[in-house]
Amino acid sequence: EAGVVQSPRYKIIEKKQPVAFWCNPISGHNTLYWYRQNLGQGPELLIRYENEEAVDDSQLPKDRFSAERLKGVDSTLKIQPAELGDSAVYLCASSLDNWTGGVRSAFFGQGTRLTVV
Amino acid sequence: SQQGEEDPQALSIQEGENATMNCSYKTSINNLQWYRQNSGRGLVHLILIRSNEREKHSGRLRVTLDTSKKSSSLLITASRAADTASYFCATNTGTASKLTFGTGTRLQVTL
Repeated sequence: EAGVVQSPRYKIIEKKQPVAFWCNPISGHNTLYWYRQNLGQGPELLIRYENEEAVDDSQLPKDRFSAERLKGVDSTLKIQPAELGDSAVYLCASSLDNWTGGVRSAFFGQGTRLTVV
Repeated sequence: SQQGEEDPQALSIQEGENATMNCSYKTSINNLQWYRQNSGRGLVHLILIRSNEREKHSGRLRVTLDTSKKSSSLLITASRAADTASYFCATNTGTASKLTFGTGTRLQVTL
């Protein structure tokens, strides 16, 4: 079974430029997460989807960040325009959330390391 | 915002020794999960403990949960150099699939 696939793995852009990240979750997983991880820190949730609906985007800086999950499968996260402080690793994860004990374990992609110069 | 905080932030031990990491959290949970992250890689799920469980084992891993103290611990027995990584606790809260990570413990296992 293929895992969560993210692309690109690395991205270097100049500030004020746009950037987009793509995520293909594990087939059948209804929940998709985008996290941002700064160096030496834990992942911080940006947005969470249940199927195609964004159910938690309270941490998403909506002035410059946007995300979509078309047909409840693949997802893209966009930053426009990028700032120096956006340099981080952006992680996508998916899980199957139909279990009475709460969310099951999440499966993570390798992440996209963004450097804004 | 981070729900959990791991303690210690960093831990260095020799191969064969046991490693214990602690996680404290703030709100009621459905379950608590531990993940490992090798340098430059994604997170890998290790073990999940439900809120009505107190202890769980998986291979060399032992997790305890004390909901009254809002804390959990991860014990890795007979550590190996390959266990060198960052370890994160993550709490599942609310009625949906919210999964919030702590700040992590960096474990270094030396030969």
